[in-house]
Amino acid sequence: GAVVSQHPSWVICKSGTSVKIECRSLDFQATTMFWYRQFPKQSLMLMATSNEGSKATYEQGVEKDKFLINHASLTLSTLTVTSAHPEDSSFYICSARATGSSKETQYFGPGTRLLVL
Amino acid sequence: AQSVTQLDSHVSVSEGTPVLLRCNYSSSYSPSLFWYVQHPNKGLQLLLKYTSAATLVKGINGFEAEFKKSETSFHLTKPSAHMSDAAEYFCVVSSFTGYSSASKIIFGSGTRLSIRP
Repeated sequence: GAVVSQHPSWVICKSGTSVKIECRSLDFQATTMFWYRQFPKQSLMLMATSNEGSKATYEQGVEKDKFLINHASLTLSTLTVTSAHPEDSSFYICSARATGSSKETQYFGPGTRLLVL
Repeated sequence: AQSVTQLDSHVSVSEGTPVLLRCNYSSSYSPSLFWYVQHPNKGLQLLLKYTSAATLVKGINGFEAEFKKSETSFHLTKPSAHMSDAAEYFCVVSSFTGYSSASKIIFGSGTRLSIRP
């Protein structure tokens, strides 16, 4: 149980295009999902907290107009990188926390590798 | 405020010998603590978690960790390393005071574990 999927697993796009990444909790409902970014050989950096039915909460320094987050259902959150540039190339990982969970456990997706040319 | 420090960026051990990955934390609240493992180009997998129950926590693949409040530590150990243990390991601290989505988790900088034949 507690499986989180991401789609696509990797994407290559041209500079200036927008890319949408999906994060799904497959066998549980997730009121809260998180989006992280990971640079090579570095730790995960929390970008934003996605709450079902409300606006996402962004970490300091993360542009909300650049990284659009939508959490329209209890099993799906999307991250859209708008007008992507080469510096946006990174490994994006989502995680989900089960609704009603009293334990602070996050289940992570497999990640999406984005390469902007 | 929360923080987590992984004291070693790289640990190398011989196959069959014990593994020790060190982690120290600070937290204003009763913390939950986690260890995750990340294999190259993969997402994160939960190894084990401490959430105010038994201080010695057993996880998957023979790993365990001991929560020591007096030392603010949560070191990860394994009695005998296997080649498949080679990966990046992240110590994570979280404060979760209820069902509020305002709780956050903080990742350590990671420790790369190498296994020598």
